[in-house]
Amino acid sequence: SQQGEEDPQALSIQEGENATMNCSYKTSINNLQWYRQNSGRGLVHLILIRSNEREKHSGRLRVTLDTSKKSSSLLITASRAADTASYFCATARVGSRLTFGEGTQLTVNP
Amino acid sequence: EAGVAQSPRYKIIEKRQSVAFWCNPISGHATLYWYQQILGQGPKLLIQFQNNGVVDDSQLPKDRFSAERLKGVDSTLKIQPAKLEDSAVYLCASRRGGSYEQYFGPGTRLTVT
Repeated sequence: SQQGEEDPQALSIQEGENATMNCSYKTSINNLQWYRQNSGRGLVHLILIRSNEREKHSGRLRVTLDTSKKSSSLLITASRAADTASYFCATARVGSRLTFGEGTQLTVNP
Repeated sequence: EAGVAQSPRYKIIEKRQSVAFWCNPISGHATLYWYQQILGQGPKLLIQFQNNGVVDDSQLPKDRFSAERLKGVDSTLKIQPAKLEDSAVYLCASRRGGSYEQYFGPGTRLTVT
């Protein structure tokens, strides 16, 4: 079964708004990664946060990790129509094997 | 640098037929992965290679799926015979040593009728 579970399954917002997606997992991890998938560019790595980190930023992306609650969140600020995609969290245990969640479908309306 | 290449991009076959997918990873990436992504779900790892050796094939249905990476570069994934439930996108990814980031190819969309 998939390790990560994203919430919500679908999210629709207006351009300029912030989008927050959550991910929960079940077992201890080495790191957690977020990927984006759209029809144009396929599956692309966005950001990685290690188990000893609590927060990380990359451009308009902010990721938090709470290992005590086994959860992570991805915040996209000032969203754009081009951010419309499916977002997946993927957990990695020792040995680098990734286990993906079911994804959040984000729609940003212009 | 060139990305991960996969072919074909689309394939339609009838159940019980055979099919093969090809992947060329990014140059210098020792680790190669094959994933299966069913519509509406996240990718599921089928097999992981380190150079030409198998690291993890615990989720590969070995009665019908096989994969090889003979020279530690290109890889092929085969399904024989295909079932209706094999309809999915098959993704290839590669990773360089020392990094956790995986680079994905465009995928092969398989439809089994």
